[in-house]
Amino acid sequence: ETGVTQSPTHLIKTRGQQVTLRCSSQSGHNTVSWYQQALGQGPQFIFQYYREEENGRGNFPPRFSGLQFPNYSSELNVNALELDDSALYLCASSLAGRETEAFFGQGTRLTVV
Amino acid sequence: AQRVTQPEKLLSVFKGAPVELKCNYSYSGSPELFWYVQYSRQRLQLLLRHISRESIKGFTADLNKGETSFHLKKPFAQEEDSAMYYCALRVSGGYQKVTFGTGTKLQVIP
Repeated sequence: ETGVTQSPTHLIKTRGQQVTLRCSSQSGHNTVSWYQQALGQGPQFIFQYYREEENGRGNFPPRFSGLQFPNYSSELNVNALELDDSALYLCASSLAGRETEAFFGQGTRLTVV
Repeated sequence: AQRVTQPEKLLSVFKGAPVELKCNYSYSGSPELFWYVQYSRQRLQLLLRHISRESIKGFTADLNKGETSFHLKKPFAQEEDSAMYYCALRVSGGYQKVTFGTGTKLQVIP
């Protein structure tokens, strides 16, 4: 079992609201990547954090933002929620340069109504 | 921009039959290709990578640059192989972005 934990596991929000998702990294990992996985799709890269700085971003609008803390845990914030934001959000932690060996969390299922 | 295509959403095979999960990619540079697997009620995990030319759980995958493919193969399917399989591509430089395909569900029929 990996050490990457995400919270909450499920939540329901109303369109227009804001949400914060949390991720606790595998011990020793300094890089965190966030992915959005819509139903029937593969994970889509949102952004990556390394040593508390965003160092890469996918094709997502600025209302998707994040933070990484000194202990390498991370948050994903989404403002002005839209119905299409409903998805499984995955966090993956790794060592820098070894993102394909990342450990994934179990995900947070976000439903926007 | 890079893209990964997995043409089959579902692949059903009988136990003992050969398996081939298809993956094609588009990228102008030299990519690194990977296969990830997600078993029922488990997390996504790395299965194998082209660069190490390894065989994991009997699965192999060969990168064919001419056909821009990275198909996953296994000569004899087992029931425990039933899972979602995602092909992924990594682009180097700056940060390491991983692009996933849409996934293929492999169903091994006993």
